[in-house]
Amino acid sequence: DSGVTQTPKHLITATGQRVTLRCSPRSGDLSVYWYQQSLDQGLQFLIQYYNGEERAKGNILERFSAQQFPDLHSELNLSSLELGDSALYFCASSVALAGPTDTQYFGPGTRLTVL
Amino acid sequence: GNSVTQMEGPVTLSEEAFLTINCTYTATGYPSLFWYVQYPGEGLQLLLKATKADDKGSNKGFEATYRKETTSFHLEKGSVQVSDSAVYFCALSDPLNTGFQKLVFGTGTRLLVSP
Repeated sequence: DSGVTQTPKHLITATGQRVTLRCSPRSGDLSVYWYQQSLDQGLQFLIQYYNGEERAKGNILERFSAQQFPDLHSELNLSSLELGDSALYFCASSVALAGPTDTQYFGPGTRLTVL
Repeated sequence: GNSVTQMEGPVTLSEEAFLTINCTYTATGYPSLFWYVQYPGEGLQLLLKATKADDKGSNKGFEATYRKETTSFHLEKGSVQVSDSAVYFCALSDPLNTGFQKLVFGTGTRLLVSP
C-alpha cells in the first residue's frame, strides 16, 4: 500500500458527460501528479500540483482540469467525455524535493469507461 | 526530450528461471531511473530506483544498475516466481519547468511465469 488513495475505483459513463476523480496523497506529500494510462498512448503525464497551485502541464486536454485543495487532496475533472477518454487514471504524490531524486508513489488508479 | 525504450513482451519464463528485462534511455542531464510494477488489476508500485550512475537499486530479489556508459537500467532477478507475473515499467525523471520532475515511462513489459 503506497498510502495514496483514489476514488472511485471504477467509473462507467456516457459520451458527453462530466466526471470527477479524487486523489488523497500520502501524509506529508505536497505534490500531486496525474497520469493517464491508455492502450494507444501508454502512461502519460497530465498535470502537477504543488501545495495547492498548478505547477506544470503535460499532455492534458482542454476538456480536462484539476484542482488541489487546502487539505492537499486533488480532483481531476473530465468533461465532454469521448470514447477515447476511456483509460486508467493514476494519481501520484511526492514530498516534492527539487531535482531528480524525488520519488513518486502511485495510487491504485481509477478506471474510466466511456460508452 | 527524455525517453525510455523497453524490450517488447510478453516475456514467458518457467518458475526459478533467470529474468532480464532490458531498458535503455535517452536523457540530457542526470535523471533518476525507476522500475515500477503493475500486478493484474492493480496500480503502479515502485519496485526499485537508482539516482546516479553506477547505483544499484534492489528490492524483493530484483536488481538494476544505472549504467551511464550504455544508457541502460536493465532489470534482473535470479529466480522468478509465479507471483512475479506482472507488467514492469521502466521510467526516468524528466525535469519540468517548475524544478520538479515528471516521470517518463517505457511501454511496459509483461512477464508471465508458469509453474
